[in-house]
Amino acid sequence: QQQVKQSPQSLIVQKGGISIINCAYENTAFDYFPWYQQFPGKGPALLIAIRPDVSEKKEGRFTISFNKSAKQFSLHIMDSQPGDSATYFCAAGGSNFGNEKLTFGTGTRLTIIP
Amino acid sequence: NAGVTQTPKFQVLKTGQSMTLQCAQDMNHNSMYWYRQDPGMGLRLIYYSASEGTTDKGEVPNGYNVSRLNKREFSLRLESAAPSQTSVYFCASRTGTGALGTEAFFGQGTRLTVV
Repeated sequence: QQQVKQSPQSLIVQKGGISIINCAYENTAFDYFPWYQQFPGKGPALLIAIRPDVSEKKEGRFTISFNKSAKQFSLHIMDSQPGDSATYFCAAGGSNFGNEKLTFGTGTRLTIIP
Repeated sequence: NAGVTQTPKFQVLKTGQSMTLQCAQDMNHNSMYWYRQDPGMGLRLIYYSASEGTTDKGEVPNGYNVSRLNKREFSLRLESAAPSQTSVYFCASRTGTGALGTEAFFGQGTRLTVV
């Protein structure tokens, strides 16, 4: 049972372009939606996160858009750079006692070409 | 500050052998997690521990057992390894409460091969 669905599985974007990755979740108890970035041979690291009380969060070139009614959220990477080439995971979970589960999507391998 | 430390980093097992993957965190986090990462499958939750003394099943718990030894340590045991358990295993921790500390910190992973 896939509680967090992520697409696309892989993405190739030209340098300077916009990379967009989408996720959908099922459990309405989730109240924390992070995106993680992983480089080969390393563990995932937090990139940016959002809570359902806001529809958008921006940190530098990275933006999360959140649609609570559709139970969907997406990551936008503006002015994509070769150094952004990595695997990206969305996740959904809880942030309070009794709601600590954190479930990840299947990942998107992003390649930025010159 | 070490963060989340996993041992070993690499392991080869024969089918039917048992082993324990160790994980320790030094951030005083309440919640700890074990995931496995397989190509095309993403990070799948095996077990998690919301706090010391509690453990809960994730998406793929079959064939695994866990122990939350204390607040710092959360181990994953394979009683009788199978080739289907060949994977990269990640341990993670976070406080899991409120606006602060929701970030999950990951270890460097254990690459396990079962032959």
